[in-house]
Amino acid sequence: QVQLVQSGAEVKKPGASVKVSCKASGYTFTTHYIHWVRQAPGQGLEWMGVINPTDGGTDYAQEFQGRVTMTRDTSTGTVYMELSSLRSEDTAVYYCARGVPAAIVSYFQYWGQGTLVTVSS
Amino acid sequence: EIVLTQSPGTLSLSPGERAPLSCRASQSVSSNYLAWYQQKPGQAPRLLIFGASSRATGIPDRFSGSGSGTDFTLTISRLEPEDFAVYYCQHYGSSPLFGQGTKLEIK
Repeated sequence: QVQLVQSGAEVKKPGASVKVSCKASGYTFTTHYIHWVRQAPGQGLEWMGVINPTDGGTDYAQEFQGRVTMTRDTSTGTVYMELSSLRSEDTAVYYCARGVPAAIVSYFQYWGQGTLVTVSS
Repeated sequence: EIVLTQSPGTLSLSPGERAPLSCRASQSVSSNYLAWYQQKPGQAPRLLIFGASSRATGIPDRFSGSGSGTDFTLTISRLEPEDFAVYYCQHYGSSPLFGQGTKLEIK
């Protein structure tokens, strides 16, 4: 069955960077784009960007341009999301999500379990 | 840029009742690229509806989606205790975006 398993919770200081991983299994890794969505405590869902696992191509939400980097490792079927220059407003649960085959424009069928990133001095 | 507005913010109903949840877009949604998700505390969102009206795999038929253009509705025909949660609509265009959510609570 399809699974997206994310890395564990992180605590970071303001100005630092965090790198969250999302390991995919149960399907062919290169056939589906992976998106990242975050949710601040008690708030709604915010799309951050998407990566094409086939060629590593990315598209980031304007709000995160210059601060976010998404990469992938095809040998392990893992996608990474790194967010830099962290501030307290970046405290949130970060989710990876998968859409339909070979389509960058897609609803999200499968989600990781979420990774809590806390930014605090 | 499209903005999605969900209403009401909170809906208080009893099990067995019908729940209509609204999602209004500030401009027409292309190809009905509109999805609905359910989220319970401490859990990831769960896909319910895509393409405005198609139920995702395993979703009970008491959940239905309708609408086109700028006005969309998720209807839960008879509320079960496990349906009380937060619901989000999503436009999955080139820059996906979500509505702010509707909290469905037990009356």
